[in-house]
Amino acid sequence: QQQVKQSPQSLIVQKGGISIINCAYENTAFDYFPWYQQFPGKGPALLIAIRPDVSEKKEGRFTISFNKSAKQFSLHIMDSQPGDSATYFCAANLRTTSGTYKYIFGTGTRLKVLA
Amino acid sequence: DTGVSQNPRHKITKRGQNVTFRCDPISEHNRLYWYRQTLGQGPEFLTYFQNEAQLEKSRLLSDRFSAERPKGSFSTLEIQRTEQGDSAMYLCASSLSRGFYEQYFGPGTRLTVT
Repeated sequence: QQQVKQSPQSLIVQKGGISIINCAYENTAFDYFPWYQQFPGKGPALLIAIRPDVSEKKEGRFTISFNKSAKQFSLHIMDSQPGDSATYFCAANLRTTSGTYKYIFGTGTRLKVLA
Repeated sequence: DTGVSQNPRHKITKRGQNVTFRCDPISEHNRLYWYRQTLGQGPEFLTYFQNEAQLEKSRLLSDRFSAERPKGSFSTLEIQRTEQGDSAMYLCASSLSRGFYEQYFGPGTRLTVT
């Protein structure tokens, strides 16, 4: 129940196209949903995040769509560029009764944008 | 650079040796997290500190692992009697205790156990 399922595992998009990555969860206690971008050998970098009381959030070319009833959320990268080629992780924040905050991460999507 | 820093960036050790990693969080962040990431997988939560108090340890953290955060500043993660299965990227993150929980990650320490 603490899993976050991410798809697809890999994605190839032409330059200028739209990249779409999907995540689904079961635990309704999750209360914050960030997306991270990770380049090889680097730590994850926070890209954009959303709270469950909002259905959409846009920052530049990146948009999160959130469907609370379906327990799904997705990342849209508009006008994809070769520099966007990286691995993307969705995550969900869980606050436990012991006062812990922790992220549960999806398994990642390796995006390649062709020039 | 005022981001999260981790040292060393790479560590190669022989099985059975002890290793220690250090994490320096963003200065005003009082929450600190350790995660482990294996190749092709997302980061997995290991442990969490609120100031100097360690509030949770994942079941992934066996008795060979210990983490500290003296005085609520930097943190160390020690692995005793390393095993080949410990080979992974160890990531540290920090966040404020207010706001929207954004966790900022360091560059990680890549551990290879031979």
